[in-house]
Amino acid sequence: AQSVTQLGSHVSVSEGALVLLRCNYSSSVPPYLFWYVQYPNQGLQLLLKYTSAATLVKGINGFEAEFKKSETSFHLTKPSAHMSDAAEYFCAVTFTGNQFYFGTGTSLTVIP
Amino acid sequence: KAGVTQTPRYLIKTRGQQVTLSCSPISGHRSVSWYQQTPGQGLQFLFEYFSETQRNKGNFPGRFSGRQFSNSRSEMNVSTLELGDSALYLCASSSIGLAGLETQYFGPGTRLLVL
Repeated sequence: AQSVTQLGSHVSVSEGALVLLRCNYSSSVPPYLFWYVQYPNQGLQLLLKYTSAATLVKGINGFEAEFKKSETSFHLTKPSAHMSDAAEYFCAVTFTGNQFYFGTGTSLTVIP
Repeated sequence: KAGVTQTPRYLIKTRGQQVTLSCSPISGHRSVSWYQQTPGQGLQFLFEYFSETQRNKGNFPGRFSGRQFSNSRSEMNVSTLELGDSALYLCASSSIGLAGLETQYFGPGTRLLVL
């Protein structure tokens, strides 16, 4: 089965610390991967996407993610957390373009 | 450039009723897709419309249906509402559609509560 898994439903980091949100996929065909952020009572906003052009993808707000085929991972990172980064983060994948599959989400808390 | 708009933003219905939600995509976008978000099931794909045709459909019962108009606006209808249909319903628009792996722009969602 093709799917995406987010490890850790809740992550807490101190302001200024590294943010690492984990996403793994399972697929028999090349995936196309996305990270979205959802602020309270708002819709989803695309942070970044991987579509096979480059394995290291830079997104908005200082986030980046690296596609690692050998580890079937697409982890989201940010060198220094800011209070405004507190939100729900979703990893998503499409394989054929027919459907989007979302991970269960990771709630990021930033501690001042 | 205006974003994706969804109406209404909040809705309360009772079991057995039906509901229609509306989504207006970004101008020029021809693809609209719908998603259901609940605490228990997370985000799930409902269906996608492109140029008035349903192209893809998720694993939802036939009570969930939709349509798209010639101006790309889309409506989603849920008949015979059940308590489990309480959710945030999100729509997203893109210029090419899921098949083109194009970036999606999401609306703020319609929060439906079924009593």
